[in-house]
Amino acid sequence: SQQGEEDPQALSIQEGENATMNCSYKTSINNLQWYRQNSGRGLVHLILIRSNEREKHSGRLRVTLDTSKKSSSLLITASRAADTASYFCATSTRNTPLVFGKGTRLSVIA
Amino acid sequence: DTEVTQTPKHLVMGMTNKKSLKCEQHMGHRAMYWYKQKAKKPPELMFVYSYEKLSINESVPSRFSPECPNSSLLNLHLHALQPEDSALYLCASSQVGGMVAKNIQYFGAGTRLSVL
Repeated sequence: SQQGEEDPQALSIQEGENATMNCSYKTSINNLQWYRQNSGRGLVHLILIRSNEREKHSGRLRVTLDTSKKSSSLLITASRAADTASYFCATSTRNTPLVFGKGTRLSVIA
Repeated sequence: DTEVTQTPKHLVMGMTNKKSLKCEQHMGHRAMYWYKQKAKKPPELMFVYSYEKLSINESVPSRFSPECPNSSLLNLHLHALQPEDSALYLCASSQVGGMVAKNIQYFGAGTRLSVL
């Protein structure tokens, strides 16, 4: 299966701290995306990193991709209570749709 | 407009009922998706429509019947569901690239379905 595995499954931090979530996958990919889901709501796309990229930034988000280790990390800096959500990595290959990882539940305590 | 609209937001149905979920987008996306999501689990792909044609059916039971009447609308018809079908049903859309849509997906807020 191509499905990603996020690590940790759950993370609880204080407001202002950084949060790091990791994602591992099994097959070669075209790109890797990160999505956020607030409780019981739809997913929101955060960032996409292509297989030939190693690092990407968007505001307080930093994503890295190591294709040799088949892993990615998402760093949220200076976290806020509003960042409390589930975060999913999603991978795709040329001929398959997105496959979502199991997700990390992040709690940011004010 | 980057919105995907799903109706209804909540649905309670009996096992003998017939109901439909509706999804609408006006972003000009030609790929649309249905996902099923159980609590604390990732979304599971059910169906993919590309250019209004069903391109992927992930071995979904026939009690779920998708329909794509036009490029903006996606329906999911439900009949004779089981209690284990209770879940959050998410619709998404994206541009189409290559054989299978692989670009950024835009999700609706979902329909919370309870089957009694």
